[in-house]
Amino acid sequence: DGGITQSPKYLFRKEGQNVTLSCEQNLNHDAMYWYRQDPGQGLRLIYYSQIVNDFQKGDIAEGYSVSREKKESFPLTVTSAQKNPTAFYLCASSTGGGRAADTQYFGPGTRLTVL
Amino acid sequence: DAKTTQPPSMDCAEGRAANLPCNHSTISGNEYVYWYRQIHSQGPQYIIHGLKNNETNEMASLIITEDRKSSTLILPHATLRDTAVYYCIVRANAGGTSYGKLTFGQGTILTVHP
Repeated sequence: DGGITQSPKYLFRKEGQNVTLSCEQNLNHDAMYWYRQDPGQGLRLIYYSQIVNDFQKGDIAEGYSVSREKKESFPLTVTSAQKNPTAFYLCASSTGGGRAADTQYFGPGTRLTVL
Repeated sequence: DAKTTQPPSMDCAEGRAANLPCNHSTISGNEYVYWYRQIHSQGPQYIIHGLKNNETNEMASLIITEDRKSSTLILPHATLRDTAVYYCIVRANAGGTSYGKLTFGQGTILTVHP
C-alpha cells in the first residue's frame, strides 16, 4: 500500500531536548518536504529536498535540521534552538522537478508538544 | 504565486452538491489552480488541480472561468465525511526561494449537515 508515513502521531518532549520526527515514503518520489502548521494557520515550509543527499532551507528553517541519506526517508530534527517547537508537523513528497503541476502528497502528521 | 480569496465558511446539506468558490484575479499564464482539504488533525489531502480546462476526478470537479480569475470546486454529492477546511492554491513553476512550496491561505471551512 503506497503512501507517506509519519511517526509518532503524538510526541511529547521536555524543553531543551532535541527530537527527531520520522517521515518515510514508498511512492518512489524524488522530492520531500517538511511543513509546520500552528493552530488556525496555514502551512509554512521548513526544509525541502529535491534529491537524495541534497536539501534546502525553506521559510522557517532556524532551529531545525534534516538529512536525506535515502530516497524514501527525510527525518526532521527539532533542536533546542527552536524557540516555539510545539506545532503540527507535516511531511510531503512529490515526483519533483519543480514544475507547477508537480503534486505534493502529505503524510498524516506528527503533533509535537514541548512541555 | 498568486494570492487567492475564499469565503471563510460554507454550509451544505448531505447529498447535495457543494460548490466552493475561489478568486485568483492575479493569476498568471503558467500558474495552476490546486485544491486540497484538511480534516481536523490530519494531513492535507490532494483533491484536484487544473490549468485552464475544467477537470474531473473521482473526488470532485474543478471549473475554471475562461479568464482564469476564479474557479469553483464541486463536490457532487456531499457527505458528512466531506466536512473539512478546503484550500485553493495557485502555484507556478518553481524558481528562486519558492522552490516547490505550497502556500496555504485560511481556506473555507465546509460543514456538511444531515
